[in-house]
Amino acid sequence: GQNIDQPTEMTATEGAIVQINCTYQTSGFNGLFWYQQHAGEAPTFLSYNVLDGLEEKGRFSSFLSRSKGYSYLLLKELQMKDSASYLCAGMDSNYQLIWGAGTKLIIKP
Amino acid sequence: ETGVTQTPRHLVMGMTNKKSLKCEQHLGHNAMYWYKQSAKKPLELMFVYNFKEQTENNSVPSRFSPECPNSSHLFLHLHTLQPEDSALYLCASSQDPGAGGNTIYFGEGSWLTVV
Repeated sequence: GQNIDQPTEMTATEGAIVQINCTYQTSGFNGLFWYQQHAGEAPTFLSYNVLDGLEEKGRFSSFLSRSKGYSYLLLKELQMKDSASYLCAGMDSNYQLIWGAGTKLIIKP
Repeated sequence: ETGVTQTPRHLVMGMTNKKSLKCEQHLGHNAMYWYKQSAKKPLELMFVYNFKEQTENNSVPSRFSPECPNSSHLFLHLHTLQPEDSALYLCASSQDPGAGGNTIYFGEGSWLTVV
């Protein structure tokens, strides 16, 4: 079956770095997405990786290893506003998104 | 403000009521989606419309009835719901559901409580 695994909750300190991991099993693979969702708000697109390696966008970076079925989202210089849920989603061979349950990130001062 | 707007933001309905959720996208996209989001569960895809034609219906109970009059508008008609249908219902749109890298843009959701 198809599955996305990510930790349920993580805690980090303001100004620090945090890495949110995601492992995926999909029927075929057409890329991996990360979304951010603040409480009570819409999920918003953060990144899309289809090739191995690290993609950096400001304080946020996303990494993909296709051979390991693994991705992570790296957040640097954490700010209080980064407190949110982070959703990982793999795209299968039919271009369907398989979603993880999300990782709730709590930032402490 | 997102390019996908949903109304109402909050809805409380009885099990015998009929209500509708409305979604409008201002992004010029061809595809629209309904998702269900329950606490601590992955997003569940309910329906997909591409160029106004329904292309996905993921075994959704018939008490949920979608309607897509054009590529910019999507409705979810609700009737005789059950308490377990209480959840956040997210509308979304994208340019091409059949392409890699197809990024989905979400509305802020409609919180539904069935009493």
